[in-house]
Amino acid sequence: EAGVAQSPRYKIIEKRQSVAFWCNPISGHATLYWYQQILGQGPKLLIQFQNNGVVDDSQLPKDRFSAERLKGVDSTLKIQPAKLEDSAVYLCASSLGFLSGGYTFGSGTRLTVV
Amino acid sequence: DAKTTQPPSMDCAEGRAANLPCNHSTISGNEYVYWYRQIHSQGPQYIIHGLKNNETNEMASLIITEDRKSSTLILPHATLRDTAVYYCIVRVNPGNMLTFGGGTRLMVKP
Repeated sequence: EAGVAQSPRYKIIEKRQSVAFWCNPISGHATLYWYQQILGQGPKLLIQFQNNGVVDDSQLPKDRFSAERLKGVDSTLKIQPAKLEDSAVYLCASSLGFLSGGYTFGSGTRLTVV
Repeated sequence: DAKTTQPPSMDCAEGRAANLPCNHSTISGNEYVYWYRQIHSQGPQYIIHGLKNNETNEMASLIITEDRKSSTLILPHATLRDTAVYYCIVRVNPGNMLTFGGGTRLMVKP
């Protein structure tokens, strides 16, 4: 089966600019997650979707980050305006749902804010 | 979810078994132990999970102590491609999201 697709693979922007990341989960996977991974740390959950509804966004910095999952399939994560500390890898993962044991992760988007 | 403790790094000789320990002394009865790994420049990859019985699949074996306060992930014949960060995670299944700690950086050496 095809994996979780993410784009772009790399992005460099200046601080205060905006950026968007795209994720296409595995077909049929109802649950979608966005994680932020700062260099040298484990991934940190930002937001969790079940179909097109938000399940948990308690760790999402809502003053600058937003995410949506239209039609319960693809998802976009946006940062506006970006700060230097947003430099990280943004990982998207999907799973069949709450009853599924494992997540499948994409390769991530590496964001550098200069 | 219960907190886990893992050594920050380990080395293993190629072809030998890699035994990665994880402490989860506050684990509760309905929490599963999950293992993921992350190879450089890739997203985390699911390896195995278990509740209280030992588990084995094509990638690894998971040994959970009888009191469930610790577990060991075993890669029976480590290869250079097994060099990665290995994360031990405890969570209720179904339900909670995955919460990653710092993991163990395993270096397999020739």
